[in-house]
Amino acid sequence: GAVVSQHPSWVICKSGTSVKIECRSLDFQATTMFWYRQFPKQSLMLMATSNEGSKATYEQGVEKDKFLINHASLTLSTLTVTSAHPEDSSFYICSATAGTGNEQFFGPGTRLTVL
Amino acid sequence: QKEVEQDPGPLSVPEGAIVSLNCTYSNSAFQYFMWYRQYSRKGPELLMYTYSSGNKEDGRFTAQVDKSSKYISLFIRDSQPSDSATYLCAMNRNYQLIWGAGTKLIIKP
Repeated sequence: GAVVSQHPSWVICKSGTSVKIECRSLDFQATTMFWYRQFPKQSLMLMATSNEGSKATYEQGVEKDKFLINHASLTLSTLTVTSAHPEDSSFYICSATAGTGNEQFFGPGTRLTVL
Repeated sequence: QKEVEQDPGPLSVPEGAIVSLNCTYSNSAFQYFMWYRQYSRKGPELLMYTYSSGNKEDGRFTAQVDKSSKYISLFIRDSQPSDSATYLCAMNRNYQLIWGAGTKLIIKP
């Protein structure tokens, strides 16, 4: 149980284009989903927290207009990187919690490369 | 000072050894303590989840929490090459996790 999937697992795009990453909880309803980014050999950096049906809460320094988060259902959240630039190249990971639990279950991550 | 401190390593040990991984923290309000394992280019996988001071065992893994010292540990017995990964500690602040830097563990056959 508690499986989280992400799609795509790897994406390469041209500078200036937008990329959408999907995060799904497969066998539970995710009341809260989190989006992280991770640079090589560094720990996870929380970008934003989203609850189903409400606006995401972004961490300080994260541009909400650049990283659009939609949490339309209890099993799906999307992260759209708009007008991507090479410095946005990173490993993006989502996680989800169920109910009032503190355990976060992570997706396998999406590697974004912007050329 | 970071809220959670973790030695990034790498820590290299021979197969079969007992591994000890540690984190210290400064915020006494943390209540939940977690250990995650992350293989290269994969998402973190929850290994252990503890709430209070004391020990929790699951197979070859033992998590230890000492709230008085603000110190948590993860022990791995009979370490295997497949245990080679980065191990991250995490603890909660409300519904957010505060992460350690992660310790890279290498088990040599």
